[in-house]
Amino acid sequence: GDSVTQMEGPVTLSEEAFLTINCTYTATGYPSLFWYVQYPGEGLQLLLKATKADDKGSNKGFEATYRKETTSFHLEKGSVQVSDSAVYFCAQNSGYALNFGKGTSLLVTP
Amino acid sequence: GAGVSQSPSNKVTEKGKDVELRCDPISGHTALYWYRQSLGQGLEFLIYFQGNSAPDKSGLPSDRFSAERTGGSVSTLTIQRTQQEDSAVYLCASTEYLGEQYFGPGTRLTVT
Repeated sequence: GDSVTQMEGPVTLSEEAFLTINCTYTATGYPSLFWYVQYPGEGLQLLLKATKADDKGSNKGFEATYRKETTSFHLEKGSVQVSDSAVYFCAQNSGYALNFGKGTSLLVTP
Repeated sequence: GAGVSQSPSNKVTEKGKDVELRCDPISGHTALYWYRQSLGQGLEFLIYFQGNSAPDKSGLPSDRFSAERTGGSVSTLTIQRTQQEDSAVYLCASTEYLGEQYFGPGTRLTVT
């Protein structure tokens, strides 16, 4: 069945470091792909999305490109900030519901 | 405008008791989802309501779980005879038809 796999955390980085969080998916069709972020004590928020192959989603300095050939949607940011500390979830739409990865916890230290 | 709200924010209950969790979706959103977030299982889809159509209950883990949506708005998730493995954060999301899902803050359920 459809599934999403993302790298396990926690990931700890120093401020201004480069971030990559890997995400791969399996799907029978052509899903839309998403990254959601959950800041401490808050609900899930959509960070970015891509709806078809080669689309690049971007928001708040984060980017991810929908790679059909590698079935991947890796999240990147060139220079992380302490305020980026959160849990990041990769997801695909499986029909109308969302199918999530298990989440990657990111801690950015000053 | 107001986002998705959920109540209570925290619930502690004894094993075997029934609990009700409430979700108030964004006004005008026709679709409503319940998800469960638990350690080791990540985020799991539970149930989906769209307008007046019959709900998709395919994600409910057992017949102890049920949900209803009254008047196409507020939804209640009921867990009967709670078990310790039901401890999790229960998330509600709403959306316009096929639109972006907006999530509530969740209800943290602890079964002792």
